Amino acid sequence: DAGITQSPRHKVTETGTPVTLRCHQTENHRYMYWYRQDPGHGLRLIHYSYGVKDTDKGEVSDGYSVSRSKTEDFLLTLESATSSQTSVYFCAIRGPMNTEAFFGQGTRLTVV
Amino acid sequence: GIQVEQSPPDLILQEGANSTLRCNFSDSVNNLQWFHQNPWGQLINLFYIPSGTKQNGRLSATTVATERYSLLYISSSQTTDSGVYFCAVEQGDYKLSFGAGTTVTVRA
Repeated sequence: DAGITQSPRHKVTETGTPVTLRCHQTENHRYMYWYRQDPGHGLRLIHYSYGVKDTDKGEVSDGYSVSRSKTEDFLLTLESATSSQTSVYFCAIRGPMNTEAFFGQGTRLTVV
Repeated sequence: GIQVEQSPPDLILQEGANSTLRCNFSDSVNNLQWFHQNPWGQLINLFYIPSGTKQNGRLSATTVATERYSLLYISSSQTTDSGVYFCAVEQGDYKLSFGAGTTVTVRA
């Protein structure tokens, strides 16, 4: 199994509070991703990183920011959580070109 | 962006039955993967298959890139095959775009 750890696994937070989710990898892979999963939508890309301090937006990036200060960690921050950000968040990693992506266990976030 | 359509959206099978899941995509792709999401939410890699045919036990997959579709075959289905099957494609920008998934229920 790919070495990916997401934390926390579950979180309940109040509207308007900041929240940070962490993705940690032990594979030394270059590419890291954050997706959210909602019923009827499959998985949608929030942000991704192609190296330390190199990040870019995905299709649903509004309300989210990311940081990658070292290869192994990719942080997703909700600056001011809203109920529409209640979702399951998945981190993924991949290595060189033309290789498969691997996903973490997911984080279930509930914003009340 | 690229559109990924999976069919059927839902599939109910009797244990032992065979089935075919389809993934259509709207543009040329560099990469295609199939995943199984089990009832506990874990995403499990099934196939990395940008073209051609691969087999892994009772599962096999075929991608015809020139015609923009991929098929996932499940033979002799078991209750452990239940879950959601996702197709995901990439166009060379390292970003995977997912279909909405096919929910498979295998009944004993």
